[in-house]
Amino acid sequence: AQSVSQHNHHVILSEAASLELGCNYSYGGTVNLFWYVQYPGQHLQLLLKYFSGDPLVKGIKGFEAEFIKSKFSFNLRKPSVQWSDTAEYFCAALLNRDDKIIFGKGTRLHILP
Amino acid sequence: DTGVSQDPRHKITKRGQNVTFRCDPISEHNRLYWYRQTLGQGPEFLTYFQNEAQLEKSRLLSDRFSAERPKGSFSTLEIQRTEQGDSAMYLCASSLDPNTGNTIYFGEGSWLTVV
Repeated sequence: AQSVSQHNHHVILSEAASLELGCNYSYGGTVNLFWYVQYPGQHLQLLLKYFSGDPLVKGIKGFEAEFIKSKFSFNLRKPSVQWSDTAEYFCAALLNRDDKIIFGKGTRLHILP
Repeated sequence: DTGVSQDPRHKITKRGQNVTFRCDPISEHNRLYWYRQTLGQGPEFLTYFQNEAQLEKSRLLSDRFSAERPKGSFSTLEIQRTEQGDSAMYLCASSLDPNTGNTIYFGEGSWLTVV
């Protein structure tokens, strides 16, 4: 079945550490990819998206993600995290020009001050 | 605020009662989506509309669930004869055509607790 998988369910880091959250999708066709973030008590917000072109996508708040088609992956990275990055992060995919996106189960990120 | 708004934000109901949630999308958006999210899970797709037409329903949407978007603007999601397993956050989202790069925007969600 078509799906989005996030490898890490809960990540704890200290401030200034580097971050990489894994995301893989299972689909052989055209895919558009997203990372959304949900800060405590807030709604889902788009961090970044990949539609075409440069596979290295830069988003808000210093986040970036790289689309590696051969690995079916779209990992999220940030070189130096801040306490304010504490949130839940969701990888999502839009498959083959479908109109809806499907989500992974999320990764809860906790940054220690 | 010109984002997606949902009402009520929280609802506690007794098992067997009916509940209705309302979603007001961003005004020019023709796509409107409903998702459900439980603790520890990502949002799961329920259904979506293009204007007033309901184009797809997930198998998660049992006969007790019905969604409408009568004039292609706001939408309602009704759950009849609620069960404890319906306890979740119900998310609404809206967009223009997402296949041309448009962002799907989410509301803050409506929490349902069935007791």
